Amino acid sequence: DAGVIQSPRHEVTEMGQEVTLRCKPISGHNSLFWYRQTMMRGLELLIYFNNNVPIDDSGMPEDRFSAKMPNASFSTLKIQPSEPRDSAVYFCASSLTQISGNTIYFGEGSWLTVV
Amino acid sequence: AQSVTQLDSQVPVFEEAPVELRCNYSSSVSVYLFWYVQYPNQGLQLLLKYLSGSTLVKGINGFEAEFNKSQTSFHLRKPSVHISDTAEYFCAVNQAGTALIFGKGTTLSVSS
Repeated sequence: DAGVIQSPRHEVTEMGQEVTLRCKPISGHNSLFWYRQTMMRGLELLIYFNNNVPIDDSGMPEDRFSAKMPNASFSTLKIQPSEPRDSAVYFCASSLTQISGNTIYFGEGSWLTVV
Repeated sequence: AQSVTQLDSQVPVFEEAPVELRCNYSSSVSVYLFWYVQYPNQGLQLLLKYLSGSTLVKGINGFEAEFNKSQTSFHLRKPSVHISDTAEYFCAVNQAGTALIFGKGTTLSVSS
């Protein structure tokens, strides 16, 4: 079975440019999560959706970040404009439901470098 | 609010030695506890999780963890490590109605 699929795997962009990261969750999973990983801050939850509806976006750093989930099989995380401090690995993850205790399955990450 | 503290940022060990990676959590209510592993340039994958029942949980690759409610700990152990166990290990917690919160990770380095 296909796991969580993220694209692009690697992106290098210039400061000020728009960045769009994409995610396809595991088929049948109703909850989707976006995490950011940096050396300084570790793994941070940015936002999560349940049945395509954002449930908690308190981790989104600022208005430059936005996330959407137009349907059950696709989500985007957009940064506009990007800044060097946004350089990180962005992980998308999904789980069957939002019920606590469910296993979350991670994609392989999108490695973003903003220069 | 819930939180997770991984007490060691780096743990170097020799091959075939035992290892323990320490994790403490704080929460005012019952929690679910997880250990994930991240190999270089990959995403995270589940090693094991504690939901309820027996406090000793066995996972993949010979790892196990013990839930200790009185000490609010969930330490990960393996009796004999291999070079291939070199990776980043994350402890995580969630309680009802919240998303998974991760610790800062422990880098396990196994050398021969």
